[in-house]
This record gives sequence, C-alpha cells and structure tokens, in this order.
Amino acid sequence: QLVESGGALVKPGGSLRLSCTDSGFTFSSYGMNWVRQAPGKGLEWVSSISDSSVYIYYADSVKGRFTVSRDNAKKSLFLQMNSLRAEDTAVYYCARNRPAGEVDYWGQGTLVTVSS
Amino acid sequence: DIQMTQSPSTLSASVGDRVTITCRASQSISYWLAWYQQKPGKAPKLLIYTASNLESGVPSRFSGSGSGTEFTLTIGSLQPDDFATYYCQQYHSYPRAFGQGTKVEFK
Repeated sequence: QLVESGGALVKPGGSLRLSCTDSGFTFSSYGMNWVRQAPGKGLEWVSSISDSSVYIYYADSVKGRFTVSRDNAKKSLFLQMNSLRAEDTAVYYCARNRPAGEVDYWGQGTLVTVSS
Repeated sequence: DIQMTQSPSTLSASVGDRVTITCRASQSISYWLAWYQQKPGKAPKLLIYTASNLESGVPSRFSGSGSGTEFTLTIGSLQPDDFATYYCQQYHSYPRAFGQGTKVEFK
C-alpha cells in the first residue's frame, strides 16, 4: 500500500515536499512515479525514478522546478516542488511501475493547492 | 514526444451495451499501452497492460487490442460498476503520456 503525505495550501512561488511511503512490497525493486490530476481534469504524468535512482525523468511542465528522489532504506519516495504555480494545483499520486513499465499500484493521492 | 488521443471524450451507454473506446498514438508504441479505470475521488486502477493483457482480478468483459498507433478498449457487456472514466497510457518511452480520458455515463 502506498500512502502519500505533504499536500497543503501554498502561495505561488512557494515550495512543498511530498512524501510517499510503501507498506507492502519490496520498494527497492520497483521504479516509481508521480502522476497528478488537476481538479476536474485528466491524468498527467509528472516524474519517474528507477529502482536505484539512476534514471530520472520529468515532464516539461515541471522540469527545473520539481525534484524526485527516493530512500529505499525507508521505503519512501519524495517530490520536492519549488517555484509553485497555480497550474500545479492538483491531486498528486505516487504509483509503482512494474518492470515492463505499466503502473499497477497507486496511492490515494494528496492535494496540493497553489493560491494566494 | 508521443501524444495520445482518445475518442470519444464522453460516451453515453446503457447496462448491457458493448462499448468501445479508441486510443491513438502520434507514433508507433508497439504494444506498450495500458488502460486504466478511474472513479470519482479514487485512484486509477490498471485494467489492461501491453495492449491486450487482462490484469489479474479484472472481469473478462474487459478486453484490449491493437498495436503500433491504434488501440481499443472494449467492454463486452456494460455493468453498473463500469460507469467511470477510462484512460490509456503509453509506456514505450519518456515522457510518459496519458490520453485525455473517456467518461462512460448513463444514457
């Protein structure tokens, strides 16, 4: 089971750090993702990180502002979000990749609201 | 970057109907496509992976087909629990991309 935390109301230009903790599988064996969903909108892939953190990818919309990381010893995934904008307002899901790449487990999501 | 386009955006159907949703990729993704179901306020759920493989525990009325750039998700006989929004996603390459979603609603 994946549990996200850290969502909050933050002002434009502010920062926030999201966390995702695994409680049920061999976290260190899987690549992980952040996927977001703005209110009433579709799913948007944000970032992916490989099992050993060697490979990291970002959507253009967050590149240079967001940083993904993980701590396998603590079974945790993180998303450091800086220079937040109103358009970053969304529910942020952490999600697990199978080795082939499909996403099979999702957390319940955490809401980030960027507003003055 | 690969773009994913779903059609239709909204689909009105009745219980028992056969429903088909189409997803097109802007370039070939071979069979690296997944389908997800999402209900309001819930996380997405994996239905189909590698275009046509049914995820464990998913009812057999769901099926997927296609390869290259054109894919379909079919619900053989729509059940009340199936009214939801469906998304395709390519995982051939980064950046990953989702389709814009298809909402299946009561006719």
